[in-house]
Amino acid sequence: NAGVMQNPRHLVRRRGQEARLRCSPMKGHSHVYWYRQLPEEGLKFMVYLQKENIIDESGMPKERFSAEFPKEGPSILRIQQVVRGDSAAYFCASSPFGKASYEQYFGPGTRLTVT
Amino acid sequence: GENVEQHPSTLSVQEGDSAVIKCTYSDSASNYFPWYKQELGKRPQLIIDIRSNVGEKKDQRIAVTLNKTAKHFSLHITETQPEDSAVYFCAAYNAGNMLTFGGGTRLMVKP
Repeated sequence: NAGVMQNPRHLVRRRGQEARLRCSPMKGHSHVYWYRQLPEEGLKFMVYLQKENIIDESGMPKERFSAEFPKEGPSILRIQQVVRGDSAAYFCASSPFGKASYEQYFGPGTRLTVT
Repeated sequence: GENVEQHPSTLSVQEGDSAVIKCTYSDSASNYFPWYKQELGKRPQLIIDIRSNVGEKKDQRIAVTLNKTAKHFSLHITETQPEDSAVYFCAAYNAGNMLTFGGGTRLMVKP
């Protein structure tokens, strides 16, 4: 059973460009969470999605950031017009049932560098 | 919302000694408390967790205790080894389906 997959593992973008980060949850998992980790800091919740639904986006900046988890395909975190402060590691995690099963399993992360 | 405080931020121990990391949480509705280990440049990995209906859980050299009344929980690592060196994060999971993480503890085990 493959774990949570994320790609790309490293992404370099110039200021003003768009960044697209992809996350494929573990097989059988229908809940996806995105976290941001700044260097030397902890994990900050951004958004929680189920298939075709955003359940909680309270941790996501209202501008430039968006997330989706379509019926088919991976979850995507999209950052428009990136700025240097967006440089961070972005982790996604998945769980099978949400409320009924709490464990979240993390992907390897995408390290975004904005130049 | 939930707020999780973690102490200490850094911890240095000699190989073979014990290490204790403590966390407090604010939301009394939180009912699941996982601990993650993150090695440099790698993903956080779940190492142990505890649910609110138990007070202690042990897995080999790792144990976690939970005091619901005081709203704090702790990670105990005995007989530490150099490969235990990493950043450890506690987290609390509440009814909002969210994990709130502590700020992390950098554990260094000196051989």
